[in-house]
Amino acid sequence: EVQLVESGGGLVQPGRSLRLSCTTSGFSFGDYTMSWFRQAPGKGLEWVGFIRTKAYDETTKYAASVKGRFTISRHDSKSVAYLQMDSLRTEDTALYYCTRGGLAGRNWGQGTLVTVSS
Amino acid sequence: DIQMTQSPSSLSASVGDRVTITCQATQDIRYHLNWYQQKPGKAPKLLIYDASNLEIGVPSRFSGSGSGTDFTFTISSLQPEDIATYYCQQYDNLPFTFGPGTLVDIK
Repeated sequence: EVQLVESGGGLVQPGRSLRLSCTTSGFSFGDYTMSWFRQAPGKGLEWVGFIRTKAYDETTKYAASVKGRFTISRHDSKSVAYLQMDSLRTEDTALYYCTRGGLAGRNWGQGTLVTVSS
Repeated sequence: DIQMTQSPSSLSASVGDRVTITCQATQDIRYHLNWYQQKPGKAPKLLIYDASNLEIGVPSRFSGSGSGTDFTFTISSLQPEDIATYYCQQYDNLPFTFGPGTLVDIK
């Protein structure tokens, strides 16, 4: 069974950093692009970015709202994807989800809540 | 960026009714559209990919159609467990973008 579990969320002050993890099981992690999405409280879904596989040089793409502040990485031997979030802003407050796949979000995790507030 | 619109923003229908949601893109996205279902307090779930392909395990009462800029999502016979918000999402161009969602409720 495919499983994705996000962790690392919490309350953080504006300007600080946080690293989210997406721990996976049940599929060949290294063969899949991994994506991050977010959903602000009571709002719709927003694509954050993705990281391609090693075969595609682990290329990353980001939404303009996070580019230059967020970095997606992966550790294939641990089957984990990461979202490093720097220079956090209050508008980054959201539930963050990771998914398997780049073009379609398959097998979502339960999300991890990030609250940016002073 | 490609903007996605959905209509209606919400609807209320009876069990057994046929429900249709439309999604429109601001430019041609070919067939590069997904539909997701998000139940209250839950993560989204992929229902339809490539505009009309049913994801494995998804009931056949769900369907999608369209190409270019205009797309339709249909529930052929609404069930109580279909109460959710439905989102379309384009993946033709980066950044991938979502519609604002359609809240479906039971009358």
